[in-house]
Amino acid sequence: DTAVSQTPKYLVTQMGNDKSIKCEQNLGHDTMYWYKQDSKKFLKIMFSYNNKELIINETVPNRFSPKSPDKAHLNLHINSLELGDSAVYFCASSQLAYYNEQFFGPGTRLTVL
Amino acid sequence: QQPVQSPQAVILREGEDAVINCSSSKALYSVHWYRQKHGEAPVFLMILLKGGEQKGHEKISASFNEKKQQSSLYLTASQLSYSGTYFCGTEGGAQKLVFGQGTRLTINP
Repeated sequence: DTAVSQTPKYLVTQMGNDKSIKCEQNLGHDTMYWYKQDSKKFLKIMFSYNNKELIINETVPNRFSPKSPDKAHLNLHINSLELGDSAVYFCASSQLAYYNEQFFGPGTRLTVL
Repeated sequence: QQPVQSPQAVILREGEDAVINCSSSKALYSVHWYRQKHGEAPVFLMILLKGGEQKGHEKISASFNEKKQQSSLYLTASQLSYSGTYFCGTEGGAQKLVFGQGTRLTINP
């Protein structure tokens, strides 16, 4: 069984479109994260949720909106996609908080044309 | 602030040792190490907590100098499977990891 799964794995879309990425974890963790990894491999946190509550919201444009329907799921919706949004987006989860091991999903490679 | 890793890249022959360093300008509560292979997700290696506690894989060793806000990852008798990009992530009280720029490790036979 996959611990942290993301869909889709690849996403190619036009500028201006709206898209969503879904994430699910079956580890029973209560904290989930979204990270963005750019073309230079820089890995940066975007959001974190603890038990469906938003804990961290980095300086991310309002076009990005996370939603956590329950503690096993964390989705990311992106409005009005821009070229600079092209990156690999990783979902991750951990037990309790940041000082425990984070399990990363396989990533979603988003390409905006 | 983003921690600084050194070196940026290293090439070894199988069996050789390597040290990867991570330095922060902020006081730290913990340092985390992850390895990412090309096209894959980062995978946890180790956490070093303020006060000396460590959690991680038995075959990986690392150190954390709290006073200097520095950590080092020690890879001994390297194997081909050690190849990848190593990231340190630092946590300084804001409940989030800030990752360094990565160190690319290549192990040749």
